[in-house]
Amino acid sequence: GDSVTQMEGPVTLSEEAFLTINCTYTATGYPSLFWYVQYPGEGLQLLLKATKADDKGSNKGFEATYRKETTSFHLEKGSVQVSDSAVYFCALIGGSQGNLIFGKGTKLSVKP
Amino acid sequence: DVKVTQSSRYLVKRTGEKVFLECVQDMDHENMFWYRQDPGLGLRLIYFSYDVKMKEKGDIPEGYSVSREKKERFSLILESASTNQTSMYLCASRTGYGKETQYFGPGTRLLVL
Repeated sequence: GDSVTQMEGPVTLSEEAFLTINCTYTATGYPSLFWYVQYPGEGLQLLLKATKADDKGSNKGFEATYRKETTSFHLEKGSVQVSDSAVYFCALIGGSQGNLIFGKGTKLSVKP
Repeated sequence: DVKVTQSSRYLVKRTGEKVFLECVQDMDHENMFWYRQDPGLGLRLIYFSYDVKMKEKGDIPEGYSVSREKKERFSLILESASTNQTSMYLCASRTGYGKETQYFGPGTRLLVL
């Protein structure tokens, strides 16, 4: 079945460091891909999405490109801030009922 | 902005109690979802609903039931709470099907003693 695999955390970076969180997927067809973020004590918020191959989603300095050839949707940010500390979830819409399928999440901690 | 609200942020219940978790969305979305979130396991789908009075089992429905009597409200019911149901519960909604974004509530952290 459809699935999402993302790098395990936790990831600890210093402020202004470059961030990459890897995400690969297995799916039939061409699913929409998402990154959600969960700040401490809160629910999930949509960070960015891409709906077709080669699309680049971007928001708040974060970017991810839908790579069909490598079935990947890696999240990147050029310069992280302390306020980016959160758990990041990669997800796709798939399965027989078209629901969100999540990776297990990657916890990011950014130190000043 | 889409708003999904959940009735409680924190709940403490005793084993065997019947527990109701309420979720309300204000954007006339057809689809609503209940997930539980556990460390190391990510989010797992419990139940979802495509429309009023309709429900479908997700990946882990055992020990749970749901109710959707009105379009804006989706309730998760733990008929007899057990300690292994201690978790964070997240509600979400979306319009339509396929590529649409899901919007999440703030979550309810449930502790079953």
